[in-house]
Amino acid sequence: DSGVTQTPKHLITATGQRVTLRCSPRSGDLSVYWYQQSLDQGLQFLIQYYNGEERAKGNILERFSAQQFPDLHSELNLSSLELGDSALYFCASSVVAGVRNEQFFGPGTRLTVL
Amino acid sequence: SQQGEEDPQALSIQEGENATMNCSYKTSINNLQWYRQNSGRGLVHLILIRSNEREKHSGRLRVTLDTSKKSSSLLITASRAADTASYFCATDAGETSGSRLTFGEGTQLTVNP
Repeated sequence: DSGVTQTPKHLITATGQRVTLRCSPRSGDLSVYWYQQSLDQGLQFLIQYYNGEERAKGNILERFSAQQFPDLHSELNLSSLELGDSALYFCASSVVAGVRNEQFFGPGTRLTVL
Repeated sequence: SQQGEEDPQALSIQEGENATMNCSYKTSINNLQWYRQNSGRGLVHLILIRSNEREKHSGRLRVTLDTSKKSSSLLITASRAADTASYFCATDAGETSGSRLTFGEGTQLTVNP
């Protein structure tokens, strides 16, 4: 158990809908990262937050947004969903951004868009 | 896009044998990390090697890093059936990239009992 929790575990929804994925980092970790894992794209970095502020952006679509709250939990919002958004979405956390950036991953949310 | 490329893509060995997986990357890094993923599950951090280190050990794992060749290898000795999983290398280019990890495509390791 990494100490990172994600809810829900599974999500099935229809095209055009909007969903929210939630992540609670390990106790004491200030950084939260979101990744998308799909068969055709592999593991892709989406976005990072550090202590409530956006720190880095990767291949995140404009239809997607995220935030980190004062209690450090984070939410990833996916809107206008398309079939191609079906994937495993992972949250990871680490103590600080820096040289020793070991990240601890949650179990993931499997999103299926029908 | 994936920075890292792992080879082989798939590896099948017998229990007790050693497994070696390789990773190549393209840009300069602060560190390189190896992760393991059981099918459909979260990733588990295995080992981190800094750019100024050449070799690191952790239990049955041995990681090497050659920054001049931009490559790393992960050796699992005396493999067990429970080692069956996908193994990913991930590079951390540090502050300029916001400390994101860039993952390779992974090596699927199957250890046959």
